[in-house]
Amino acid sequence: GQQLNQSPQSMFIQEGEDVSMNCTSSSIFNTWLWYKQDPGEGPVLLIALYKAGELTSNGRLTAQFGITRKDSFLNISASIPSDVGIYFCAGPVQGAQKLVFGQGTRLTINP
Amino acid sequence: KAGVTQTPRYLIKTRGQQVTLSCSPISGHRSVSWYQQTPGQGLQFLFEYFSETQRNKGNFPGRFSGRQFSNSRSEMNVSTLELGDSALYLCASSLTAGDYEQYFGPGTRLTVT
Repeated sequence: GQQLNQSPQSMFIQEGEDVSMNCTSSSIFNTWLWYKQDPGEGPVLLIALYKAGELTSNGRLTAQFGITRKDSFLNISASIPSDVGIYFCAGPVQGAQKLVFGQGTRLTINP
Repeated sequence: KAGVTQTPRYLIKTRGQQVTLSCSPISGHRSVSWYQQTPGQGLQFLFEYFSETQRNKGNFPGRFSGRQFSNSRSEMNVSTLELGDSALYLCASSLTAGDYEQYFGPGTRLTVT
């Protein structure tokens, strides 16, 4: 089935640094979604992408829909402590109204 | 606008028991999906409901079931609980079927002992 692979699995950075993470698949996706999950909470939708090559920003977050349709990228600029959490990419399974999720990238920020 | 609400937030059950979890979607949202989240398997799709009809089902045994009411509220039930059912159960709502922008609730943490 369609699977999403996220890298890196974890990141340890200093406050103020920029962050880059990506999500890849062997299958084509027509939609990419990026979520953030804090401990004990449900994932929060950050950015949705619908078109190959699309670049969309949400504050300090910027996500891109890869032109091959098989990958997506998320960048966070000037990280702050509240950026700590797990970031998930997700995409709809072809022919089904359901999302498949990557395994997540855990972001830790050293003060 | 209020977000997705799930009750209860925490639950402890014994093997063999059954459990019912509840989800109220964002007002105006008519599609509800359920996911199971565990450290080993990550987020896995359980099922999705729209207009009181199950439209899709994930690869889970028949012990997992759900339903949706006319007001779009949804419940999921797990019968004959097993230790491996311990997980965070997440409900997500979207405006309509085919809308992939899903908004999640805080989840119900189920522990089976």
